[in-house]
Amino acid sequence: NAGVTQTPKFRILKIGQSMTLQCTQDMNHNYMYWYRQDPGMGLKLIYYSVGAGITDKGEVPNGYNVSRSTTEDFPLRLELAAPSQTSVYFCASSPDRGRYFGPGTRLTVT
Amino acid sequence: AQKVTQAQTEISVVEKEDVTLDCVYETRDTTYYLFWYKQPPSGELVFLIRRNSFDEQNEISGRYSWNFQKSTSSFNFTITASQVVDSAVYFCALSEGGTGGFKTIFGAGTRLFVKA
Repeated sequence: NAGVTQTPKFRILKIGQSMTLQCTQDMNHNYMYWYRQDPGMGLKLIYYSVGAGITDKGEVPNGYNVSRSTTEDFPLRLELAAPSQTSVYFCASSPDRGRYFGPGTRLTVT
Repeated sequence: AQKVTQAQTEISVVEKEDVTLDCVYETRDTTYYLFWYKQPPSGELVFLIRRNSFDEQNEISGRYSWNFQKSTSSFNFTITASQVVDSAVYFCALSEGGTGGFKTIFGAGTRLFVKA
């Protein structure tokens, strides 16, 4: 099992650009999550999904969109990137209450 | 509303010392789950433990132990005989009841430095 994989690992965006952060899990977990971690801070939930076709907002959803067309994939879309979105983004999946985290994507918006 | 407080921002110890990381939580639910995660300098997040609100038994895993006390809404983490490899940021997290544990809230983290 590869677990939770995320691409890319690093990215620099210019203000106003868009991009998609990819997340894939091969553990057949129903629940998937996107978090962001700002420097020196804990994680904040952006969006989550309880299964294919079902998504919902977390604590900080503004400026992001998600989709869940399959159990395996949970991409996070940034539209019109802003400097406030500079962060490390973690995708996670879980069968129940635990969390299996991906390695993270470090995004810088300048 | 749920909240997790890790009052210790940074802790520095010398190798072989014992160290306790504090976690205090707030929730209105009677069913909830508590977690600890480790984030080493490499940046990944490592799941350490999950505890549900109905299980107040303390847990020990090697040099790690956890003390869950509902009366004080605390879920503290102790590392016995700390090692340099324990240097990391440790996060406590809370997930309220219902199915799925969707909105897990993380504390701000405690950065532990273990010096040789």
